[in-house]
Amino acid sequence: RKEVEQDPGPFNVPEGATVAFNCTYSNSASQSFFWYRQDCRKEPKLLMSVYSSGNEDGRFTAQLNRASQYISLLIRDSKLSDSATYLCVVNRLGSGNTGKLIFGQGTTLQVKP
Amino acid sequence: DTAVSQTPKYLVTQMGNDKSIKCEQNLGHDTMYWYKQDSKKFLKIMFSYNNKELIINETVPNRFSPKSPDKAHLNLHINSLELGDSAVYFCASSQYRPGGEQYFGPGTRLTVT
Repeated sequence: RKEVEQDPGPFNVPEGATVAFNCTYSNSASQSFFWYRQDCRKEPKLLMSVYSSGNEDGRFTAQLNRASQYISLLIRDSKLSDSATYLCVVNRLGSGNTGKLIFGQGTTLQVKP
Repeated sequence: DTAVSQTPKYLVTQMGNDKSIKCEQNLGHDTMYWYKQDSKKFLKIMFSYNNKELIINETVPNRFSPKSPDKAHLNLHINSLELGDSAVYFCASSQYRPGGEQYFGPGTRLTVT
């Protein structure tokens, strides 16, 4: 079983739709949580950090449930430019002060006109 | 201004050859990383350096040898290349603290024939 699991999709949605991605992680030692975005043939970029209290950044809302070891990302009013792969990422403390980022496989989103 | 740069962007080589990939960051970060993204899109950490000291060394064949001449540079040398080494290799950097955002380079697409 992968340490961070995501449904790879693809999720095909029309513009303006609301779409939700889920992610589960298996290591309870995970300390911090993120969503990264990766465009086709590009590098991953941080989209947002995820906190237990939930956090919002414009059309994007992230939630963390530590008890269930579950992370979600909600995108409202989808735009064509949201088409990308969304990577669920956990930081597991271990060697060194920075810990280690563990990436999920990613969920591919295609927003259609 | 490029924050994390890698060279070359593409590398096509034959089995058995030795090749190097270079990475530089101008963000003033003290921690740098090498990741491998395979054909199934999983992004996995290989190595991490903090101030030229190796702090993460995943289970990677010893044909892979990282070198950090200073905290702004992290190079990856690969000996005796194999078909299975074909992947995209990403360099990243961050501040040395838990949960710090990692900034990725554009990637080096390595193809071994």
